[in-house]
Amino acid sequence: DGGITQSPKYLFRKEGQNVTLSCEQNLNHDAMYWYRQDPGQGLRLIYYSQIVNDFQKGDIAEGYSVSREKKESFPLTVTSAQKNPTAFYLCASSFRGIHNEQFFGPGTRLTVL
Amino acid sequence: QKEVEQDPGPLSVPEGAIVSLNCTYSNSAFQYFMWYRQYSRKGPELLMYTYSSGNKEDGRFTAQVDKSSKYISLFIRDSQPSDSATYLCAMTWAGGTSYGKLTFGQGTILTVHP
Repeated sequence: DGGITQSPKYLFRKEGQNVTLSCEQNLNHDAMYWYRQDPGQGLRLIYYSQIVNDFQKGDIAEGYSVSREKKESFPLTVTSAQKNPTAFYLCASSFRGIHNEQFFGPGTRLTVL
Repeated sequence: QKEVEQDPGPLSVPEGAIVSLNCTYSNSAFQYFMWYRQYSRKGPELLMYTYSSGNKEDGRFTAQVDKSSKYISLFIRDSQPSDSATYLCAMTWAGGTSYGKLTFGQGTILTVHP
């Protein structure tokens, strides 16, 4: 089956700890994205990557880091510097180019205790 | 002011009703417009994609774009309980490093009751 997988589905973390969210796609997409979703705020872009070994900050990159060492994978690290990390995190991917649909994964719900 | 404004609702309608969902935007550079549907605790899925002013129809769904007024709408005819979800508008523009970068509205929560 082709698609985007995110793991884990639910994640709990203590304050002060870094945590890494996994995102893998087998759609042969070049571009990958990370969004954060909070109630009443829609989706906000954290980081995006158009090609391997290159990525750009989105609108709310502070306190997050990413890597893009493989085309299929785009992990997101939520660092202890992120002041309000509890949220629903969504990964997406697409072919490059303006007309290409972004396909979303099922999301990871992160709760900081 | 946010670049994209969407009434968060919630919106509750009876089965069979016509639903109208709306977004306004301030950035006149936006050229490409999308509507996503998101079921509870799931990732969004693309419903409609348009890039010109006017109407685009797909089954029970019609997307409408008015670039002069910076206003887009999604109409759902003969609404069903299975349409109950959050609907997100999204838009983007061509050029440079912004390729593929979507700006989303806040989402409208819709409930269709039998």
